[in-house]
Amino acid sequence: ETGVTQSPTHLIKTRGQQVTLRCSSQSGHNTVSWYQQALGQGPQFIFQYYREEENGRGNFPPRFSGLQFPNYSSELNVNALELDDSALYLCASSLARGDEQYFGPGTRLTVT
Amino acid sequence: DAKTTQPTSMDCAEGRAANLPCNHSTISGNEYVYWYRQIHSQGPQYIIHGLKNNETNEMASLIITEDRKSSTLILPHATLRDTAVYYCIVRAILTGGGNKLTFGTGTQLKVEL
Repeated sequence: ETGVTQSPTHLIKTRGQQVTLRCSSQSGHNTVSWYQQALGQGPQFIFQYYREEENGRGNFPPRFSGLQFPNYSSELNVNALELDDSALYLCASSLARGDEQYFGPGTRLTVT
Repeated sequence: DAKTTQPTSMDCAEGRAANLPCNHSTISGNEYVYWYRQIHSQGPQYIIHGLKNNETNEMASLIITEDRKSSTLILPHATLRDTAVYYCIVRAILTGGGNKLTFGTGTQLKVEL
């Protein structure tokens, strides 16, 4: 167990809807990263937050957005859901920006 | 981002050492090599990382060649619970000082009796 928790575990949404996924980082970790993992693929980097600021972004459209709170927990928001957004969404926290990342169990999103 | 090349799959007998190779010929001098593994439908698990010296921890050993163009992850005594997809990653530094992990498709290691 890494101490990184994510909620919900699973959810089902309809195309066009919006979704918010949540992540609680390991105690003392100030950096959170989000990844998307489609079936049969490796995780793909979405973005990273450090001390409440976006610290870097992967090749994802603006409808993927995030927040990090003063307690370093984080949210991933996805607007205008598309069928291809169906995936496992992973959150990872690290003690500092350059340190190894520890992953949570993920949220399985299904878009119908 | 530096790319990595790994075999698609490998088998290993329980109790034997599992040696997982990785090529990263375009790695830059200040880029670290990271290894993670993922057991079906769980989040990836950090194993080990290194820059140029060999590293060992309670889970595994990492051997990096002198030219840093390849590395090998060694699980000294593989068990059935080590069956997983193993990812070799060259960590990229973000402009803002953070880092991202670029996962490939990894090596599916199957440990058998």
